[in-house]
Amino acid sequence: SAVISQKPSRDICQRGTSLTIQCQVDSQVTMMFWYRQQPGQSLTLIATANQGSEATYESGFVIDKFPISRPNLTFSTLTVSNMSPEDSSIYLCSVYNPRSGETQYFGPGTRLLVL
Amino acid sequence: KQEVTQIPAALSVPEGENLVLNCSFTDSAIYNLQWFRQDPGKGLTSLLLIQSSQREQTSGRLNASLDKSSGRSTLYIAASQPGDSATYLCAPSGNTPLVFGKGTRLSVIA
Repeated sequence: SAVISQKPSRDICQRGTSLTIQCQVDSQVTMMFWYRQQPGQSLTLIATANQGSEATYESGFVIDKFPISRPNLTFSTLTVSNMSPEDSSIYLCSVYNPRSGETQYFGPGTRLLVL
Repeated sequence: KQEVTQIPAALSVPEGENLVLNCSFTDSAIYNLQWFRQDPGKGLTSLLLIQSSQREQTSGRLNASLDKSSGRSTLYIAASQPGDSATYLCAPSGNTPLVFGKGTRLSVIA
């Protein structure tokens, strides 16, 4: 199993500013992902955080808006840049070891409100 | 690209009723399928994980089935309780991150 922590758990930010969310896992994992859940919606994958290289972004998400770092196998950050009210969402970090037979684990999420 | 559909989108039942939530997916090349529960404003709680070689998995009052070839899974909840009220999400998993359906919002009325 994997235990995931995220910081901050929630924040209220002003339009035009940036926020960096941290994700820490208690064990080394193969894959780390960032998801977004907008109000009343299901989870949407933002990107796969790749260790030591640029993240792989899904359609509709770009590095300039959501820069991601993954310096090692247990830590990743997601930055939400130049925020607007439309960025108000829950951002979730997730980890997965394919073919391990284990579940994909999710962090508790970071609730972001942009004014 | 995997697409997941969950039916119904919302469901309201009286306490004690048995109910079935449906999930369908387009790409049957999966390793497993997970059912999650999400309470309002909260994160995800994993309920059941079915491996692709399994037909069903049980945990307490929950039973999930998987028909991989037809791209379908069901979550059966027996003797529903008000505490079961939440959104239930289905997510098949292959060599790529989980893709989620929009969920079924369940309300169990006491």
